[in-house]
Amino acid sequence: KNQVEQSPQSLIILEGKNCTLQCNYTVSPFSNLRWYKQDTGRGPVSLTIMTFSENTKSNGRYTATLDADTKQSSLHITASQLSDSASYICVVSSDRGSTLGRLYFGRGTQLTVWP
Amino acid sequence: DAGVIQSPRHEVTEMGQEVTLRCKPISGHDYLFWYRQTMMRGLELLIYFNNNVPIDDSGMPEDRFSAKMPNASFSTLKIQPSEPRDSAVYFCASSFLARGKEKLFFGSGTQLSVL
Repeated sequence: KNQVEQSPQSLIILEGKNCTLQCNYTVSPFSNLRWYKQDTGRGPVSLTIMTFSENTKSNGRYTATLDADTKQSSLHITASQLSDSASYICVVSSDRGSTLGRLYFGRGTQLTVWP
Repeated sequence: DAGVIQSPRHEVTEMGQEVTLRCKPISGHDYLFWYRQTMMRGLELLIYFNNNVPIDDSGMPEDRFSAKMPNASFSTLKIQPSEPRDSAVYFCASSFLARGKEKLFFGSGTQLSVL
């Protein structure tokens, strides 16, 4: 069964600290993995997209890693800011083609950054 | 670019009433998606269109749900009759093909409450 599991479900950190969010998937065949940030009351916004040949990708203070062999990904946030408080969603695509119709969504990790 | 525009932002209705959600995708995007998000199930794909044609509606929960895309700049999701279990946030998203790394752009969602 194609599934995407994220951990932890929720996380609280102090401003300025680093954190790492985890994503494990069983989706096959694998095409790409995406991380999205969803602010409260808003739609998800893309942070990174990685194919099976990419094992790390950065977007500012966000760094995503991918291990296609173990089917694991992580999202590392450096020097957290209050604006990082959001839900972070891991999404895996199972088609090597171009369709976005087979995306599998994790339930998200709710990150809260305290001052 | 104004992004994906959804209306209304909030909808409160009574059980049995018809509800129509609206979406304007980003100009030039040829894919449009309707998603539903709940705390219990996360994000779920309901239906998606390519060049205004419905491609996969297997996620539409039942016949009470219908979606149309009469032209490239407008889509509707209709629920008739609505039920309390339809209460959720409904997102519209659009994208264009980009060699397997298509970015999904989400609207801000419609918060639907069926009493």
